[in-house]
Amino acid sequence: DQQVKQNSPSLSVQEGRISILNCDYTNSMFDYFLWYKKYPAEGPTFLISISSIKDKNEDGRFTVFLNKSAKHLSLHIVPSQPGDSAVYFCAASASFQKLVFGTGTRLLVSP
Amino acid sequence: EAQVTQNPRYLITVTGKKLTVTCSQNMNHEYMSWYRQDPGLGLRQIYYSMNVEVTDKGDVPEGYKVSRKEKRNFPLILESPSPNQTSLYFCASSFSSRGRSPLHFGNGTRLTVT
Repeated sequence: DQQVKQNSPSLSVQEGRISILNCDYTNSMFDYFLWYKKYPAEGPTFLISISSIKDKNEDGRFTVFLNKSAKHLSLHIVPSQPGDSAVYFCAASASFQKLVFGTGTRLLVSP
Repeated sequence: EAQVTQNPRYLITVTGKKLTVTCSQNMNHEYMSWYRQDPGLGLRQIYYSMNVEVTDKGDVPEGYKVSRKEKRNFPLILESPSPNQTSLYFCASSFSSRGRSPLHFGNGTRLTVT
């Protein structure tokens, strides 16, 4: 049972445009969400997070939006840069419990 | 430099030959965990440890063992590896076990079992 789903395995975007990565979850008890970025031959690194008491969190070019009623979150990257090309994992936790990861979306930003 | 170090980076072995993947962190983190990454399945937790001598099963623990004798080290042991354990493995640590503390990951160990 995949509680955190990233339905798009891959996404291609041109440099300078917006990248939108989506994540859906099924467990209504999830109250904290994180995005991790992974380059080839490296481990995932933490990117940005959001608590369920918010609907938006911004950090530079990265913004995460949370729609609790739809059980959906998205990561917006504006403007996209070639260095953003990586695999992005969303993850969720419920009441301070362990993280559950999605399957990942591979983003390719072309010059 | 704060980091999680895994060794080896690459490992090819044969079915049944015991192996250990080491993991060490220098951040004095209480929480450590092992994940495996497989295509289409994302990151799945194998085992975790909330502190020294405290370990517990994750989502896919079968065929694996761990130990936590020191705070900094959390080795993953495959006593009798099988081909279905061919995967990319990541060790991770965080300040606490609570989901709000971001995980710091090692660079991974790619294991092939023939």
